[in-house]
Amino acid sequence: DIVMTQSPLSLPVTLGEPASISCKSSQSLLHSNGENYLDWYLQRPGQSPQLLMYLGSNRAPGVPDRFSGSGSGTDFKLKISRVEAEDVGVYYCMQALQTPRTFGQGTKVEIK
Amino acid sequence: QVQLVQSGAEVRKPGSSVRVSCKPSDGTFTNFAVSWVRLAPGQGLEWMGGISPIFGATDYAQKFRDRLTISADTSTNTAYMDLTSLTSEDTAIYYCARERPVETAMVTLGYWGQGTLVTVSS
Repeated sequence: DIVMTQSPLSLPVTLGEPASISCKSSQSLLHSNGENYLDWYLQRPGQSPQLLMYLGSNRAPGVPDRFSGSGSGTDFKLKISRVEAEDVGVYYCMQALQTPRTFGQGTKVEIK
Repeated sequence: QVQLVQSGAEVRKPGSSVRVSCKPSDGTFTNFAVSWVRLAPGQGLEWMGGISPIFGATDYAQKFRDRLTISADTSTNTAYMDLTSLTSEDTAIYYCARERPVETAMVTLGYWGQGTLVTVSS
């Protein structure tokens, strides 16, 4: 199974400031078609997870452009350019290259 | 926006079984794979398995292979997750999630259900 490792696991942030989460995979997520099969999800308190980013760097419909994803192979990042109150929750990366799908441990983002 | 509607909370005793259902609101059931993911207290998200309704093909995480059955009823557009031999460690919120076409891609867990709390307690 592909092991996904996120850091940090806890991220206190200041409103209006940038934030960044790292996600590393134990195997390359780069497919022969040139796509990186890495998705990001946000689970707000009391809600179901929701899709944020897919194929590494593509924002899901309706996701604000303050969110961006980057990386390739085994190293990925999710960045929030200016944190807003609604961004609080747990962020997960997930590899979608093979089954079983595997998630990172989650990064809890909270406002300082 | 597609809604996935799951069945209600369940309480079970250790050693028993539970069934959770999942029905998409748009009726487009057979063309998209459905996965089941759980979130146990203090843990992260865990993919359990999935089904491609149109082919009837299933895929399970090794951890659950001997006590998990995922099925789909195409006549009622409903997916099911059956978990047997429950222990307290199976206490969790269980989510179904469906594939979602976005631009030219197919995202595995594009739409999520509201979650079903399963509590295992004697």
